[in-house]
Amino acid sequence: NAGVMQNPRHLVRRRGQEARLRCSPMKGHSHVYWYRQLPEEGLKFMVYLQKENIIDESGMPKERFSAEFPKEGPSILRIQQVVRGDSAAYFCASSLSVPGQMFYGYTFGSGTRLTVV
Amino acid sequence: GEDVEQSLFLSVREGDSSVINCTYTDSSSTYLYWYKQEPGAGLQLLTYIFSNMDMKQDQRLTVLLNKKDKHLSLRIADTQTGDSAIYFCAETIMNSGGYQKVTFGTGTKLQVIP
Repeated sequence: NAGVMQNPRHLVRRRGQEARLRCSPMKGHSHVYWYRQLPEEGLKFMVYLQKENIIDESGMPKERFSAEFPKEGPSILRIQQVVRGDSAAYFCASSLSVPGQMFYGYTFGSGTRLTVV
Repeated sequence: GEDVEQSLFLSVREGDSSVINCTYTDSSSTYLYWYKQEPGAGLQLLTYIFSNMDMKQDQRLTVLLNKKDKHLSLRIADTQTGDSAIYFCAETIMNSGGYQKVTFGTGTKLQVIP
């Protein structure tokens, strides 16, 4: 039973290019969360998605960033026209959580480390 | 409001106990967690405690929760070099949207000296 799969592990982009980060949740998990970890900083929440729905995008920058979780296929975090400040580790997590029921915590992927040159 | 704070760095000698502290501000937190992040890896759930508990023990790990002071701690007994990692405290709050939102602390980097 594979865990949360993220790819690529490392991604290098030039300023102005687009970055696409993929996340396949654990089998049976329908809740996906994206977090960003800047060097020497903690995890910052970006967005929470369920299949075909964005539930909470309060942590997403207003411009250039978007996320989706289609009915089929992985969740995608897209960053358009990347800048140096976007360099960070981006982590995806999934959960089986159902509102109101016991919450067992997230299962995290190994992350995608984005470097903008 | 939601804000989870941790000290950034802790250094201990191998064999000693480590105590990592965390404070949170939202008294309605339902679950609190400790995650471990090894270099270059994702976060691994170590343990969790429900908000109506004071203590939880799991082998070398002891979690203490003081709800009055909104203080959570993780004690690692007989710390080993393999325990060197960043430890994140996290709280879960049922938000107005009807789902459980997790907020992470800044992480405490534990260095174990042989």
